[in-house]
Amino acid sequence: EPEVTQTPSHQVTQMGQEVILRCVPISNHLYFYWYRQILGQKVEFLVSFYNNEISEKSEIFDDQFSVERPDGSNFTLKIRSTKLEDSAMYFCASIVLAGIETQYFGPGTRLLVL
Amino acid sequence: GEDVEQSLFLSVREGDSSVINCTYTDSSSTYLYWYKQEPGAGLQLLTYIFSNMDMKQDQRLTVLLNKKDKHLSLRIADTQTGDSAIYFCAENSGYSTLTFGKGTMLLVSP
Repeated sequence: EPEVTQTPSHQVTQMGQEVILRCVPISNHLYFYWYRQILGQKVEFLVSFYNNEISEKSEIFDDQFSVERPDGSNFTLKIRSTKLEDSAMYFCASIVLAGIETQYFGPGTRLLVL
Repeated sequence: GEDVEQSLFLSVREGDSSVINCTYTDSSSTYLYWYKQEPGAGLQLLTYIFSNMDMKQDQRLTVLLNKKDKHLSLRIADTQTGDSAIYFCAENSGYSTLTFGKGTMLLVSP
């Protein structure tokens, strides 16, 4: 069964450093998402992406964040200058447009900012 | 804005039924979902229900939707220890953006 994959599974970085989280959505999906989950809290929407542009973003998704689809398969989330409060699990998700809008989630990248 | 509320914890014995409840506020939600998250793992879609349905059954899982009260429940029949996990209720909004509850931790004891 096709699945969303994410790399790395874990990343530790110093405050102020840039990080890039990578996702490979399911190949025939057209909408892509990033969510995050701070430890012990709810999963929060960050951004959605369609047709090579941002469709919607939350208040969390400020100028420190950016997303890109650099080629036909990868979907990346960049945090330019990480803060301690960026420590979280980051989930990528994708959906196929036709039929049921069921989002498929990747396994997540656990980011720790020291 | 949209909000989804769930009870935080549920403990049951193996073989019993589990019922996890959820309330939501967005009356325009089209789909409502249940996701399962095992420790250290990602979000696994368990089941979903379209907003014009009252009930959906999928093997051991039964989803009930009361649209008037904006109440969603997930019933797991014959709960097993492998069902121990956090269960998230979610509704869609915007460009299919999901709004999640805080999750209900289900603990199944032998």
